[in-house]
Amino acid sequence: GENVEQHPSTLSVQEGDSAVIKCTYSDSASNYFPWYKQELGKRPQLIIDIRSNVGEKKDQRIAVTLNKTAKHFSLHITETQPEDSAVYFCADLGGSYIPTFGRGTSLIVHP
Amino acid sequence: DTGVSQDPRHKITKRGQNVTFRCDPISEHNRLYWYRQTLGQGPEFLTYFQNEAQLEKSRLLSDRFSAERPKGSFSTLEIQRTEQGDSAMYLCASSSDRGGYTFGSGTRLTVV
Repeated sequence: GENVEQHPSTLSVQEGDSAVIKCTYSDSASNYFPWYKQELGKRPQLIIDIRSNVGEKKDQRIAVTLNKTAKHFSLHITETQPEDSAVYFCADLGGSYIPTFGRGTSLIVHP
Repeated sequence: DTGVSQDPRHKITKRGQNVTFRCDPISEHNRLYWYRQTLGQGPEFLTYFQNEAQLEKSRLLSDRFSAERPKGSFSTLEIQRTEQGDSAMYLCASSSDRGGYTFGSGTRLTVV
């Protein structure tokens, strides 16, 4: 990827609410879009990913949607729980095989 | 295979010293990446290898930074003449051609 914009930088929700994080990318060749969760002091962990031939992917409470025309993709977390609190990073990957990361979204889920 | 391993977990060094970090990728992964991460930022790409070939190194932060992957397995990242601004978390990741990017736990460098 070349450039990935991620919003918001901070997201505060009540337990049970949904959370949505959005990313936009600029590289038309990008074809793989992973999302990572990073807890304080720990490694980024892959939580879900999507390829450009798919518009949506779900895994229990987590879903990712991709709009290739608009060049944006989003992470959706439903029924949020306090343990979902972490920093979430989006990334994109194109023909160069070099992932470019967004700046991260700090998600805070209040009990 | 327990994932991507990095060693050491923490390194404290005096300014001007050289440091070397090691990364052992997932064994079936042919691609290996080095990133730097500072507080509140996403991982910043430094360099990457496909097998033993270093395919991108232009984003290494300065000529004090170098990386090797001599046999296409583990990799080392060396920082020469460390500066206080080098203090950060250095992350390694590996992947196959199908993806599956997996990060190691990182090496936290503190330059005093």
